[in-house]
Amino acid sequence: DVKVTQSSRYLVKRTGEKVFLECVQDMDHENMFWYRQDPGLGLRLIYFSYDVKMKEKGDIPEGYSVSREKKERFSLILESASTNQTSMYLCASSLEGAGTEAFFGQGTRLTVV
Amino acid sequence: DQQVKQNSPSLSVQEGRISILNCDYTNSMFDYFLWYKKYPAEGPTFLISISSIKDKNEDGRFTVFLNKSAKHLSLHIVPSQPGDSAVYFCAARATGANSKLTFGKGITLSVRP
Repeated sequence: DVKVTQSSRYLVKRTGEKVFLECVQDMDHENMFWYRQDPGLGLRLIYFSYDVKMKEKGDIPEGYSVSREKKERFSLILESASTNQTSMYLCASSLEGAGTEAFFGQGTRLTVV
Repeated sequence: DQQVKQNSPSLSVQEGRISILNCDYTNSMFDYFLWYKKYPAEGPTFLISISSIKDKNEDGRFTVFLNKSAKHLSLHIVPSQPGDSAVYFCAARATGANSKLTFGKGITLSVRP
C-alpha cells in the first residue's frame, strides 16, 4: 500500500515563527502536493512538485514556500506564520500520467497563536 | 473562480436508502474525475474515479455517472450505511496538468440509522 506520512498530526506555533511541515511518500511517485482544508472552502492547492527540485505554485501560494531535494520528501515552509494560516494541511502524492489518483497523508492540524 | 462546484453543503439520508451526491464543473479541459471520502482529523481517501471517455463506473455500492454535455457528475451510494457518514469531495484533472487535482468544497453526508 502507498503510504504518505506527515511528520506531525498537531502543531501549535506562534505568530512570526518559521514553520516546517514535512511529508514523505514511499512509492516513488513523481508528483507531490500540498493542500490546505478550511471549512466551507474545500481543499485548496498551495504548491505542487512534479520532480526533484521542480515546483509550481498552486492557487494560494502566498506566505508559503516549498522544498523538494529528494524524490520522496516534500516540505512546506511557512516563512512567518500568521493566524490566518491556522488550518488543516494535507500532503499528497501521485504517479505521473492519466488515470492516476492522489494518495493523501493523515493531515497536520496547525494552529497559529 | 470555482471550477469544481458542489453546491449542496450537506445531505442526510436513511440507512439502506440511496445517497446521491452531485458535482458540476466548468472547465471543459477536465478529462478525469475522482471522488474522495474524508473523516474528521484524517486525510482524504480515494473512493472511485471516471475518465471522460466513459459515462459510468461502478465499484460495489458506489457508482459514478458522468454527463459531459451538462458538465455534471454524480456519486450514487446504494445502500447507504452509517459508516458512509463523512465529507465527500469531488475532484477533477485537466489534460496535461501534471496530475494536479482541483477539488470542490465538499458535501457532508449523514446516514441515519
